[in-house]
Amino acid sequence: AQSVAQPEDQVNVAEGNPLTVKCTYSVSGNPYLFWYVQYPNRGLQFLLKYITGDNLVKGSYGFEAEFNKSQTSFHLKKPSALVSDSALYFCAVRVVYGNKLVFGAGTILRVKS
Amino acid sequence: DTEVTQTPKHLVMGMTNKKSLKCEQHMGHRAMYWYKQKAKKPPELMFVYSYEKLSINESVPSRFSPECPNSSLLNLHLHALQPEDSALYLCASSQTGLSYEQYFGPGTRLTVT
Repeated sequence: AQSVAQPEDQVNVAEGNPLTVKCTYSVSGNPYLFWYVQYPNRGLQFLLKYITGDNLVKGSYGFEAEFNKSQTSFHLKKPSALVSDSALYFCAVRVVYGNKLVFGAGTILRVKS
Repeated sequence: DTEVTQTPKHLVMGMTNKKSLKCEQHMGHRAMYWYKQKAKKPPELMFVYSYEKLSINESVPSRFSPECPNSSLLNLHLHALQPEDSALYLCASSQTGLSYEQYFGPGTRLTVT
């Protein structure tokens, strides 16, 4: 079965420092991986996706993610964190059969000034 | 336009009431989704419509009844809900196919009293 794991409930980082939010996946076949962000009392916003090709994917708001097939990981990164990046982040994988996304448990990112 | 709209933003209803949630998108997407989300948890898929036909029902209780009147609109009819049904209800849409991201609306905050 397709699944993703986010091993950290919360990540704390100082403003201006690089940030990483971790995600590992388990899929049969080629993975279709996504990152979403959710601000309080809002819907989810799409950040980026990996379908095929270059292992470094660039997305919205300066975020990028690195796909690593050998480690089955898809970590979200940003070179310099902003206080406004503080939010709930979800990694997700597309289920091959059926039009479904399977989400990780989510990681709260707190950026302190 | 990458916007999914949902009405109402907030809804309070008693356990004997009948109400409806509405979702609309004008991106030409032929897949639409209903999710339920509890605080700080990942969204839980409820229903998927593909080309205006119900393609996935994740064993949702019959007190939730989806409807897709046309390719732009998605409704969720509510009847005889329970307090544990209180949650954020999210609508999403996407192009059909594994590589396409879903676009989410802002959600309806439902409280069942």
